[in-house]
Amino acid sequence: KAGVTQTPRYLIKTRGQQVTLSCSPISGHRSVSWYQQTPGQGLQFLFEYFSETQRNKGNFPGRFSGRQFSNSRSEMNVSTLELGDSALYLCASSSLSVAGVTDTQYFGPGTRLTVL
Amino acid sequence: GDSVTQMEGPVTLSEEAFLTINCTYTATGYPSLFWYVQYPGEGLQLLLKATKADDKGSNKGFEATYRKETTSFHLEKGSVQVSDSAVYFCALSRNTGGFKTIFGAGTRLFVKA
Repeated sequence: KAGVTQTPRYLIKTRGQQVTLSCSPISGHRSVSWYQQTPGQGLQFLFEYFSETQRNKGNFPGRFSGRQFSNSRSEMNVSTLELGDSALYLCASSSLSVAGVTDTQYFGPGTRLTVL
Repeated sequence: GDSVTQMEGPVTLSEEAFLTINCTYTATGYPSLFWYVQYPGEGLQLLLKATKADDKGSNKGFEATYRKETTSFHLEKGSVQVSDSAVYFCALSRNTGGFKTIFGAGTRLFVKA
């Protein structure tokens, strides 16, 4: 089975621009989560999607948004980029999640975003 | 809210030494607990997990036991190798109609030959 794939792997943008990152989950997985990893803040949860619905959201400003398509692929968008948005953005997928059952999340290699 | 605290690194060991990385958590109820490993330039790989109290997760010589009474999930390995050099993250996760994982700050491990 192919793992979680993320594109692009590396991205350089300037302040004020917007960016869209893509994540393809493992086949059959319907839950996709996004995380931001920085040296200062560590790994922080952004949001989680399941069957095209956002079920959970972390403490990030509205500039960070996401969506999920019917094939479970997900995108996240960051508008009006700031220098502090430079980070590794990780996507993770999980199989069908029933409330109360915590399935294992499988992570992609990440997209390294640099904001100049 | 939920939180995870793990020992600060870096931890430097010689090959074949015993490894312990401490992890404690704060959470209500019974979350699942995980250890992930991150090698340079890569994403996170699941190392092991435990889903209920007294469960022991194990993989590749690494072990961790879910201790509800001490709210801990310490990672151990009897004999480390140079190839174990990486960053290790302790995490808790719960699914209450929405998936959310809280990670510790990570502990960098260096193993010298």
